[in-house]
Amino acid sequence: DTGVSQDPRHKITKRGQNVTFRCDPISEHNRLYWYRQTLGQGPEFLTYFQNEAQLEKSRLLSDRFSAERPKGSFSTLEIQRTEQGDSAMYLCASSPATSGREDTQYFGPGTRLTVL
Amino acid sequence: GNSVTQMEGPVTLSEEAFLTINCTYTATGYPSLFWYVQYPGEGLQLLLKATKADDKGSNKGFEATYRKETTSFHLEKGSVQVSDSAVYFCALNTGNQFYFGTGTSLTVIP
Repeated sequence: DTGVSQDPRHKITKRGQNVTFRCDPISEHNRLYWYRQTLGQGPEFLTYFQNEAQLEKSRLLSDRFSAERPKGSFSTLEIQRTEQGDSAMYLCASSPATSGREDTQYFGPGTRLTVL
Repeated sequence: GNSVTQMEGPVTLSEEAFLTINCTYTATGYPSLFWYVQYPGEGLQLLLKATKADDKGSNKGFEATYRKETTSFHLEKGSVQVSDSAVYFCALNTGNQFYFGTGTSLTVIP
């Protein structure tokens, strides 16, 4: 169990640019979640995958945001035409398929995005 | 809608003091309830959880009881240590979505 990893850890970009983040979940976990966290707030749910299927999307996920999990393993979160309001920590979490543990999330260290 | 309301911080306690961090929730259906902890410089970690009414979650000396009648899940610890200094988040899960509170910062001084 190597934990959830995220790349990059930090990203600075200019307004209007596109950015892509990657999340590698714990290998046997079939559920994967993306969250956004701003300073002084709790994580806000963005989207959820079970294997390769995207099953839930928050209304926070505007059409500039897209997430994929093509083979049910790693996931990417892309933000197009970034805005300063997108500056936040983007967190990924995964959870196992084991009955009774499917809601036990393991979080990655996050990717901190700064939009100038 | 679904939401979690947490006691505002920051909270500062002396070592060995009793800790309570209040958490109330609004949810449709029968959510599972969680406390997560974020130590300085680290990612979020699950501290404890409860999946149905009257369940008590416990870990590392922390406890919380799922109270459906008061829609609460208050976190308690009888004797805090300096190493408990962290930010604590209450959360609920309605199935596929998690809702987090804003977090309560705890500092324990020797």
